[in-house]
Amino acid sequence: TQLLEQSPQFLSIQEGENLTVYCNSSSVFSSLQWYRQEPGEGPVLLVTVVTGGEVKKLKRLTFQFGDARKDSSLHITAAQPGDTGLYLCAGSGAGSYQLTFGKGTKLSVIP
Amino acid sequence: DADVTQTPRNRITKTGKRIMLECSQTKGHDRMYWYRQDPGLGLRLIYYSFDVKDINKGEISDGYSVSRQAQAKFSLSLESAIPNQTALYFCATSDFRSGRMTNEQFFGPGTRLTVL
Repeated sequence: TQLLEQSPQFLSIQEGENLTVYCNSSSVFSSLQWYRQEPGEGPVLLVTVVTGGEVKKLKRLTFQFGDARKDSSLHITAAQPGDTGLYLCAGSGAGSYQLTFGKGTKLSVIP
Repeated sequence: DADVTQTPRNRITKTGKRIMLECSQTKGHDRMYWYRQDPGLGLRLIYYSFDVKDINKGEISDGYSVSRQAQAKFSLSLESAIPNQTALYFCATSDFRSGRMTNEQFFGPGTRLTVL
């Protein structure tokens, strides 16, 4: 069974601060995705990484896939209240048709 | 218009009642999924369907059944609802035929189900 551990579980920061959230596993994934979920809504796909060591940027968000494809990180620069939400990582194993989801990091950005 | 829609958005029912949650999509995707989300437990897969004639059990299928009436429609039924089925339920789609093999999923807005 593939598991994804996300940390921290909760994070409360002031507007303008930087933060990093982590997604770790002992399993290798062929690809990994990050989603953001706002209250009362479904998760929305932010990015997919597929190559070990890959870095993708989405405005103030930087996503990195570990060299061994077992872990990933999401870094937010100068957080804004609009970044508030639940961040979920999800991995897809080679030949698997399912996604394994982490339990999420709940981020609150205080104005 | 939303690409993946779910009805109802909220539902309160009583123990023992049969209920159906419905999902429709206009994305033209071949694969559809049902998940439940509980605080502290994350998203868990209930059932998934690769096409109209291919239905598969997920991690927590007991107490649930599904029907894929058409490529665009996938419904989830609780035959006899119980209180521990109180949760947020999400439908999702993915497009295997795109060839990307990354299984990116697109979620509906969810149904909040309360079983009293």
